[in-house]
Amino acid sequence: NAGVTQTPKFQVLKTGQSMTLQCAQDMNHEYMSWYRQDPGMGLRLIHYSVGAGITDQGEVPNGYNVSRSTTEDFPLRLLSAAPSQTSVYFCASSMLQGNGYTFGSGTRLTVV
Amino acid sequence: TQLLEQSPQFLSIQEGENLTVYCNSSSVFSSLQWYRQEPGEGPVLLVTVVTGGEVKKLKRLTFQFGDARKDSSLHITAAQPGDTGLYLCAGSRGNKLVFGAGTILRVKS
Repeated sequence: NAGVTQTPKFQVLKTGQSMTLQCAQDMNHEYMSWYRQDPGMGLRLIHYSVGAGITDQGEVPNGYNVSRSTTEDFPLRLLSAAPSQTSVYFCASSMLQGNGYTFGSGTRLTVV
Repeated sequence: TQLLEQSPQFLSIQEGENLTVYCNSSSVFSSLQWYRQEPGEGPVLLVTVVTGGEVKKLKRLTFQFGDARKDSSLHITAAQPGDTGLYLCAGSRGNKLVFGAGTILRVKS
């Protein structure tokens, strides 16, 4: 099992550009989430999904879109990148609500 | 404002010392999890506690969930340099998992 795979690992964007961060899991997990991690702030929830076709907003959803067309994939789209979106992004998945999450290794995004 | 408050934010100790990290909230959680994260990697789950008053042990690590399911603690006995890392608590509320800001632990040999 590969677990949770995130691509790319590093990305530099110019302000205003759009891009998609990819996340795939091969554990047949229903729950998937996207977090951003900034120094001193822990992980903040951006969007999450409880199953294919179902998504909802987390704590900091503005500027991001998600979709969940399959159980395996949960891409995160930045619509128009801003310097405030410079961060490390983590995708995570879990079999059940309340169970522990498996995290990907992260995408380090810099917006200039 | 963090829903989960962790303390201390930073801890630097000598090898062999004991330590406790706290995770507090005014909200009730259905479960609480502890993760450890190393630089450049994603968090890795250490434990999940579900029942109020529950105590779980993982080698030299002891985790406790408060009776009211609003707080938790992580105690490390005889810390080793390999314990160095960022320790994160996370609470489950509905379909969301929310994190504290973390405790950076440095164990010096």
